Amino acid sequence: KAGVTQTPRYLIKTRGQQVTLSCSPISGHRSVSWYQQTPGQGLQFLFEYFSETQRNKGNFPGRFSGRQFSNSRSEMNVSTLELGDSALYLCASSLDGTGGTEQYFGPGTRLTVT
Amino acid sequence: AQSVTQLGSHVSVSEGALVLLRCNYSSSVPPYLFWYVQYPNQGLQLLLKYTSAATLVKGINGFEAEFKKSETSFHLTKPSAHMSDAAEYFCAVRPYNNNDMRFGAGTRLTVKP
Repeated sequence: KAGVTQTPRYLIKTRGQQVTLSCSPISGHRSVSWYQQTPGQGLQFLFEYFSETQRNKGNFPGRFSGRQFSNSRSEMNVSTLELGDSALYLCASSLDGTGGTEQYFGPGTRLTVT
Repeated sequence: AQSVTQLGSHVSVSEGALVLLRCNYSSSVPPYLFWYVQYPNQGLQLLLKYTSAATLVKGINGFEAEFKKSETSFHLTKPSAHMSDAAEYFCAVRPYNNNDMRFGAGTRLTVKP
């Protein structure tokens, strides 16, 4: 079974631009979560989607948004990029995202904002 | 709201020595607990999870963790460290009644030859 894939793996953008990151979950998984990882703040939860609906949201500004498609693939978008948005963005999928079901992580997209 | 505290941002052990990575949680309802490992430039990989079936949980790569409700702890141990264990380790908690998963700040494990 293929794992979680994220594209692109590396991205360099300029301040003020916008970016879209993509995540393909493991087949059969309906929950997709996004995290931002930085050396200073660690792993921070962005949002979670289940069956095309945002079910949970972290404490990030509205510049961060996401969506999920009917095939469970998910995208996240960051508009008006700031230098502080430079981070590793991780996507994780799970069967239903509840209880003891584990999350399977992708390799991440490393975003650098200059 | 639940949270996780990992004591020690860096832990260094000699090859063959005991590995002990500490995790304490706070949760108003019974939690599920997880340990993940992250190697450089990679995503997180699940080591083990606690789902109330047994307090002592065995995971991959020889790791295990014990859930202690009285101490609100879920420390990760391995009897004998290998060089390949050098990585960053994250403890995470999720309450049984929702999907809000929270991670600790991480502990970087260094293994000395």
